[in-house]
Amino acid sequence: EAQVTQNPRYLITVTGKKLTVTCSQNMNHEYMSWYRQDPGLGLRQIYYSMNVEVTDKGDVPEGYKVSRKEKRNFPLILESPSPNQTSLYFCASSPTKAEQFFGPGTRLTVL
Amino acid sequence: GENVEQHPSTLSVQEGDSAVIKCTYSDSASNYFPWYKQELGKRPQLIIDIRSNVGEKKDQRIAVTLNKTAKHFSLHITETQPEDSAVYFCAATTNDYKLSFGAGTTVTVRA
Repeated sequence: EAQVTQNPRYLITVTGKKLTVTCSQNMNHEYMSWYRQDPGLGLRQIYYSMNVEVTDKGDVPEGYKVSRKEKRNFPLILESPSPNQTSLYFCASSPTKAEQFFGPGTRLTVL
Repeated sequence: GENVEQHPSTLSVQEGDSAVIKCTYSDSASNYFPWYKQELGKRPQLIIDIRSNVGEKKDQRIAVTLNKTAKHFSLHITETQPEDSAVYFCAATTNDYKLSFGAGTTVTVRA
């Protein structure tokens, strides 16, 4: 089954404790992206990657890191999480110039 | 960067009536305008999209119109049904990768 998976789905952590949210797709898509969703703000792009080893900043990259060492994986790293990073996070993948397929989401709470 | 504004933020319609959501964008170079639907607790899913070389596109009960001169595009849902109740997001991009989303419209279809 073609899909985008994210792990964990839910995470409660404390300020400053490094964490990684994994994202994996099995559709051989070149493009992957991370978004955060906050009430009243819609979806805001954090980082995107057009292919292996090619990443670029979205609209809200501060406090986040990404890497794209393999085509199928695009992890999101929070080196020192803060409460303002409490949010619902979505990973997405897409074949070039086409529909984005979103993962199920990761709800992160930073205390 | 691109700024996308979406109106209204909430919309309540009687079943069978039409619903219209409007988005404006700031970057005249934007050339791809997708619409995503997000049901409660689910991931966003593409429902229709339009490119800047097209003025209108239809898919059954949904249609999107684009006015490049005025820099706005709209989603039209006809003969609304209860399953149309969801949050709808518009988006715009100049390169298919760096997507800027509107804040979303919560549509409620009253039976």
